[in-house]
Amino acid sequence: DTGVSQDPRHKITKRGQNVTFRCDPISEHNRLYWYRQTLGQGPEFLTYFQNEAQLEKSRLLSDRFSAERPKGSFSTLEIQRTEQGDSAMYLCASSLGTGDWSGANVLTFGAGSRLTVL
Amino acid sequence: GENVEQHPSTLSVQEGDSAVIKCTYSDSASNYFPWYKQELGKRPQLIIDIRSNVGEKKDQRIAVTLNKTAKHFSLHITETQPEDSAVYFCAASKGGNNRLAFGKGNQVVVIP
Repeated sequence: DTGVSQDPRHKITKRGQNVTFRCDPISEHNRLYWYRQTLGQGPEFLTYFQNEAQLEKSRLLSDRFSAERPKGSFSTLEIQRTEQGDSAMYLCASSLGTGDWSGANVLTFGAGSRLTVL
Repeated sequence: GENVEQHPSTLSVQEGDSAVIKCTYSDSASNYFPWYKQELGKRPQLIIDIRSNVGEKKDQRIAVTLNKTAKHFSLHITETQPEDSAVYFCAASKGGNNRLAFGKGNQVVVIP
C-alpha cells in the first residue's frame, strides 16, 4: 500500500453520459474525501466518509453526483448526465481521523481523475 | 462555512531570498491549519501544519506562524531554491471535523 490510488486518471466523455471514478485509500485510513479542483483554484470539498458512513456533502454536490463507500474501503464517485461544467480534476484523499481536536487530520491525496466533458 | 483567502496570488523571488505567503480564515473555531504544495501536474502534498495551541512551527527551511486574534497564518520559506517553485495552498478545519477548506493557492516562482 503505497498511497491513495485513483482510477481512471483521465476520462473524456460526451455531455449527457455517466462517468464513475474509483478511489482506493490508504488501507488503515478510516476517512475518505472527495474534492474537485479546477484550473487556478484550490480543492473544493465535495463529500467525505468515515468508514462506510457518508458524514457530509457539500452544497456543490448536485443530485447528479453520488458517492459510495460500501465496505468502508474503496469509494466510487458517479456523475450522471455530465455537463461541460463538470470538467475538472476530481481528487480523492484519505486520513486517519480520531474525532477529537488534537487528533491526526492529515490528508493524503491521490493523483486525481481528470474529467473532460465535450 | 469557513472561508480561506490567500495573498498574493503570485509571488516571484530570487533564488536564495525568502518568500512569505499569508492566509486569512473566517471561522474563529478553526484550529488546524496545514499548508499543501502542488507541483505542476502532481497531487497536493502536505509540507507543514500548525494547531491553534501553537504560535509557530518550523521544519528546516519552512516555517508557519499563526495569529489567532487576527485570524491569519503565514508560510515562510527561507533560502528559496528552484524546486520550491509550485502552487501553495493553505487550509483550515475544526477539530474533530477533518473537512479542510482550502484557499485558491499562491503561485511561487523562484528565479535562478
